[in-house]
Amino acid sequence: ETGVTQTPRHLVMGMTNKKSLKCEQHLGHNAMYWYKQSAKKPLELMFVYNFKEQTENNSVPSRFSPECPNSSHLFLHLHTLQPEDSALYLCASSLDRGGNQPQHFGDGTRLSIL
Amino acid sequence: AQKITQTQPGMFVQEKEAVTLDCTYDTSDQSYGLFWYKQPSSGEMIFLIYQGSYDEQNATEGRYSLNFQKARKSANLVISASQLGDSAMYFCAMRDLDRGSTLGRLYFGRGTQLTVWP
Repeated sequence: ETGVTQTPRHLVMGMTNKKSLKCEQHLGHNAMYWYKQSAKKPLELMFVYNFKEQTENNSVPSRFSPECPNSSHLFLHLHTLQPEDSALYLCASSLDRGGNQPQHFGDGTRLSIL
Repeated sequence: AQKITQTQPGMFVQEKEAVTLDCTYDTSDQSYGLFWYKQPSSGEMIFLIYQGSYDEQNATEGRYSLNFQKARKSANLVISASQLGDSAMYFCAMRDLDRGSTLGRLYFGRGTQLTVWP
């Protein structure tokens, strides 16, 4: 039980599809994050939300659209993705953005773009 | 820019032996935090241990300890009494504790794949 739940665990979609990734945490955390993990590359931070407000967009293409309706839920809306977007997408949360608070990660969604 | 270097793509250790996973970092900041995470093949990133730049003592958590050498900018993870379940990818990460605009950002290394054999 990680405390951070991501659905779906696996997703295969075509380049013209629209889908959404969901992340949910009930740890009472105020900050949530999306990361992309590609093969043989370090984890790449995509977005940071703090108290539902987006505080960081790490130059992510507009075909990725995040949404944070409340501190417990985070979505990543996907549309017209490219083959190079195939990766493991990890959601994380932390009590706040700073200090020694570790980020707690979900199991990830493994995304494959056909 | 922050940078984390993990020079060991793969490490092998026999069960019950100790192993050290290397991590060096590059920062000009005075206040920062160092984290180690474990990622099994299932994909989940599991937090293991934390070391603050101003902590005088090396952090320990059960079988995990962090060999922090500030002057050398290294934060090596030591796993004692390795178990088969320790086989996983291990990531070193750093967070800047001062900078407001990127507060909270974790910078990750490329990871070390640890294999524990019987």
